[in-house]
Amino acid sequence: KAGVTQTPRYLIKTRGQQVTLSCSPISGHRSVSWYQQTPGQGLQFLFEYFSETQRNKGNFPGRFSGRQFSNSRSEMNVSTLELGDSALYLCASSELAGRRGSPLHFGNGTRLTVT
Amino acid sequence: AQKITQTQPGMFVQEKEAVTLDCTYDTSDPSYGLFWYKQPSSGEMIFLIYQGSYDQQNATEGRYSLNFQKARKSANLVISASQLGDSAMYFCAMKGETSGSRLTFGEGTQLTVNP
Repeated sequence: KAGVTQTPRYLIKTRGQQVTLSCSPISGHRSVSWYQQTPGQGLQFLFEYFSETQRNKGNFPGRFSGRQFSNSRSEMNVSTLELGDSALYLCASSELAGRRGSPLHFGNGTRLTVT
Repeated sequence: AQKITQTQPGMFVQEKEAVTLDCTYDTSDPSYGLFWYKQPSSGEMIFLIYQGSYDQQNATEGRYSLNFQKARKSANLVISASQLGDSAMYFCAMKGETSGSRLTFGEGTQLTVNP
């Protein structure tokens, strides 16, 4: 089975621009979550989608948004980029949303640099 | 709310020796799951092992075992027979029954295996 696929791997954007990141979950996985990883804040939860509905949202400003399509693929969008948005963005999928023992499987991440 | 604490920013171990990575947690959820992930320099988060709060036995997966002490709220990862390829960042994480697929991560421990 193919793993979680994130595109692109690397991205360089200018402050004020917007960006869209893509994530294709493992086949059959309907839950997709997004995390931001920075040296200062560590791994922080952005949001979770299941069956095209946002189930959970972290403590991020409204500039961060996401969506999930009927094939479970997900995108996240960051508008009006700030220097502090530079981070590794990780997408994860799981087979059973909310099941305590259902592990999240992560992609390789998209490394975003804002200049 | 959940909180994970990893008190060892860095650990060193000789090849073929065992090493224990510490993790303590705090949660108000009566039921929860604990996970360990490995993150090599490539960035991908690799799922290693899972322990449920009501599991009677400590989890084991190959060279990985989880030393779960519920009363002390600790979930330490033990890696036996360390290999050079084990050098990576290791994260302890948890999710409670009210978290959906939202994982709370610790700060991580950078493990270096010396030849």
